Amino acid sequence: EPEVTQTPSHQVTQMGQEVILRCVPISNHLYFYWYRQILGQKVEFLVSFYNNEISEKSEIFDDQFSVERPDGSNFTLKIRSTKLEDSAMYFCASRYGSNTGELFFGEGSRLTVL
Amino acid sequence: TQLLEQSPQFLSIQEGENLTVYCNSSSVFSSLQWYRQEPGEGPVLLVTVVTGGEVKKLKRLTFQFGDARKDSSLHITAAQPGDTGLYLCAGVVISSGSARQLTFGSGTQLTVLP
Repeated sequence: EPEVTQTPSHQVTQMGQEVILRCVPISNHLYFYWYRQILGQKVEFLVSFYNNEISEKSEIFDDQFSVERPDGSNFTLKIRSTKLEDSAMYFCASRYGSNTGELFFGEGSRLTVL
Repeated sequence: TQLLEQSPQFLSIQEGENLTVYCNSSSVFSSLQWYRQEPGEGPVLLVTVVTGGEVKKLKRLTFQFGDARKDSSLHITAAQPGDTGLYLCAGVVISSGSARQLTFGSGTQLTVLP
């Protein structure tokens, strides 16, 4: 069964460092998303991406964040200068395009900022 | 403001008991999904409900979408320890774009004791 894969599964970084989280969405899907979940809190929307551009972003997704899909398969989330509060589980998700909005999630990348 | 309120937040029951989890909002959703999340993993889609009043069954799980499409419930019959997990409802927020981001509730942590 096709699945969304994410790497790394866990990354530890120093505050102020750049981090890139990678995702390979399901191959025929058209819409791509990043969500995050701070430990013990709800899953929060960060950004959606369609047709090689950002469709929507939340207030969390500030200038420190960027996304791109450089080669048509990988979908990356970059945090330019990490802060302690960026520590969270980051989930990539993809959707084919159905109107019901069913998303398929990866297993997540745990980011720990020290 | 919590767009989607889930209750109860925590639920601990004995194997064999029945339970109901609620997801409520003041907003109307075009569709609503229920996910289950295990610790350290991404949310896994259980069901999507689209039509007001719709009822869907998945083995011992029964999902209902409210007539006004503002609320939903998940009922589990004869709960088993394998049902333990975090249950999340998520609704599609219709925005100006077509990306249709999901808004998640805060979740119900279910523990079924043997």
